[in-house]
Amino acid sequence: DAGVIQSPRHEVTEMGQEVTLRCKPISGHDYLFWYRQTMMRGLELLIYFNNNVPIDDSGMPEDRFSAKMPNASFSTLKIQPSEPRDSAVYFCASSFGFRASSFFGPGTRLTVL
Amino acid sequence: DAKTTQPTSMDCAEGRAANLPCNHSTISGNEYVYWYRQIHSQGPQYIIHGLKNNETNEMASLIITEDRKSSTLILPHATLRDTAVYYCIVRAYSGGGADGLTFGKGTHLIIQP
Repeated sequence: DAGVIQSPRHEVTEMGQEVTLRCKPISGHDYLFWYRQTMMRGLELLIYFNNNVPIDDSGMPEDRFSAKMPNASFSTLKIQPSEPRDSAVYFCASSFGFRASSFFGPGTRLTVL
Repeated sequence: DAKTTQPTSMDCAEGRAANLPCNHSTISGNEYVYWYRQIHSQGPQYIIHGLKNNETNEMASLIITEDRKSSTLILPHATLRDTAVYYCIVRAYSGGGADGLTFGKGTHLIIQP
């Protein structure tokens, strides 16, 4: 299994631009999580899906952030418009089942200038 | 989720056992103890989890005290590749779903050659 796949691995953009991060979970997993990591705040859960349905988006910082999961093998996290304070590493993770461990992707390092 | 307390950093000699403590004095009866680690520039990696019994897998052992207020992660023969930040997480479950992980600051384990 290839594990959780994220793209792009690095993204540099200018303030005000739209940014789309992509994630392919491990096949067969029914939970998908988006996290953000910064030096100041550490790892934070943004949103998670169960069977493609968003369950808890209370960690999404503001309306500029949106996430979708159109099918079991693909999810996107979109920031529009992006701001310098959105600079962080964004991780996607997936798991199977109720008490399962989460498998994390390699992350996308986002820099907003 | 219950709060956890971990030392900020620890050193261990290569080849020796690394013992990482975690306090979770407010843990509830249905909460599991999870351990993850994050090697520099990588996504977090699942290590082990348990409820009240000691657990062992190919990576580590988890010792949970009888009152469940603390636990210890043991890496039996530490190598330089075990240098990482280790997170102890107590995970609550809501309804029928798996909540995301709440990461604290973790312990930065440095394996010395």
